[in-house]
Amino acid sequence: QLHLVESGGGVVQPGRSLRLSCAASGFSFGSYPMHWVRRSPGKGLEWVAIIFYDGDNKFYGDSVRGRFTVSRDNSKNTLYLQMTSLRPEDTAVYYCARDSSQLPYPNYILDSWGQGTLVTVSS
Amino acid sequence: QSALTQPPSASGSPGQSVTISCTGTSNDVGAYNYVSWYQQRPGKAPKLMVYEVSKRPSGVPDRFSGSKYGNTASLIVSGLQTEDEADYYCTSYGGRNNLVFGGGTTLTVL
Repeated sequence: QLHLVESGGGVVQPGRSLRLSCAASGFSFGSYPMHWVRRSPGKGLEWVAIIFYDGDNKFYGDSVRGRFTVSRDNSKNTLYLQMTSLRPEDTAVYYCARDSSQLPYPNYILDSWGQGTLVTVSS
Repeated sequence: QSALTQPPSASGSPGQSVTISCTGTSNDVGAYNYVSWYQQRPGKAPKLMVYEVSKRPSGVPDRFSGSKYGNTASLIVSGLQTEDEADYYCTSYGGRNNLVFGGGTTLTVL
């Protein structure tokens, strides 16, 4: 059974940093690209970042580029999101999701999602 | 990258059909057949319902179907059921390793 479990969320002050984790199980984690997606209160889903299967290629949405860093440890089946210079508008539930492609390149089809972890940026 | 445009809400009675549109540009929806649709119920994780414009993952009822014409994609839900009440989001590959989401549509089954 495929599982994605996010953790690391919480309340943080503006300007501070936070690292999220996503523990994967039930599939060959190292063979799949992975995404982070968020949903802010009262708003819709927003794509945050992607990391290719080997961790060498990473791309970001406009609103987080330069502040957030995605990484992965395939030996630990874990995906990470390091968030710095946090802003109130970063308040959201953060989801990790698996890209369905098993090829070297993603297809941007998110076929499995975790339940999310809530990040609140507030003073 | 601008978000794709969806109507904020849609509704229908049980048994009816409803169509949710998703309008992008020639740089995203119009350029690629990587349009997907996700269902999100309150407090739950999003669920993939349609991918590559019109394909359904296993386990998704055939009441859900997708299409695309030009820069606009559509999700059609036929034979509405109360369990279909949820938020629905479209996505499209936007080029340059970028994924674009629609603003979301809240579907109400009257």
